[in-house]
Amino acid sequence: AQTVTQSQPEMSVQEAETVTLSCTYDTSENNYYLFWYKQPPSRQMILVIRQEAYKQQNATENRFSVNFQKAAKSFSLKISDSQLGDTAMYFCAFMKHEDSGANSKLTFGKGITLSVRP
Amino acid sequence: EAGVAQSPRYKIIEKRQSVAFWCNPISGHATLYWYQQILGQGPKLLIQFQNNGVVDDSQLPKDRFSAERLKGVDSTLKIQPAKLEDSAVYLCASSLSLSTGTEKNIQYFGAGTRLSVL
Repeated sequence: AQTVTQSQPEMSVQEAETVTLSCTYDTSENNYYLFWYKQPPSRQMILVIRQEAYKQQNATENRFSVNFQKAAKSFSLKISDSQLGDTAMYFCAFMKHEDSGANSKLTFGKGITLSVRP
Repeated sequence: EAGVAQSPRYKIIEKRQSVAFWCNPISGHATLYWYQQILGQGPKLLIQFQNNGVVDDSQLPKDRFSAERLKGVDSTLKIQPAKLEDSAVYLCASSLSLSTGTEKNIQYFGAGTRLSVL
């Protein structure tokens, strides 16, 4: 079974600054995917960024980037130039690769509440 | 493109009553998921459908929860009878069943139904 750990319950950052959210996971799988999802007060989960474990290059999406350390089983999210709209809960999630190619379930961490201060 | 639709947005019931939630996935998405998100935690998978067949229902409390996906499109999740500990947000997600491509492994979520059991 896979587990995802987000040990920081809350973080706060000044607008326009950079913040890093931590995530560690445990798995015996070699092939898998990692995700960061954002959940604003509206409750809808929005995909922020995705990383495929077999790719060594860290994924980036505009102001969002990850630091993926496979050996350490660490997957942190860096948000640059923080904006007020980034205020939300952020969830780290794991998905096992299915040999059949079918999609698998997401295993989520407990989440971290990020507040961006004006 | 329309997203994942869920209804109702909120539901308040008393314990031992019954309740049903409805989900309409993104058009063409073969895989549908129901997650339960208890306050302060990450979502946990209840059941996964591939078209109208069940792929994974290992975490579904089958003595009180049931779900169906007739015709492989819409889905209904039912709780009967409800317990206090069922108070949570119920999230529906859908995904394309592709083995390659940019949409691979991405789950799209609805806004969820917040259930309060009194």
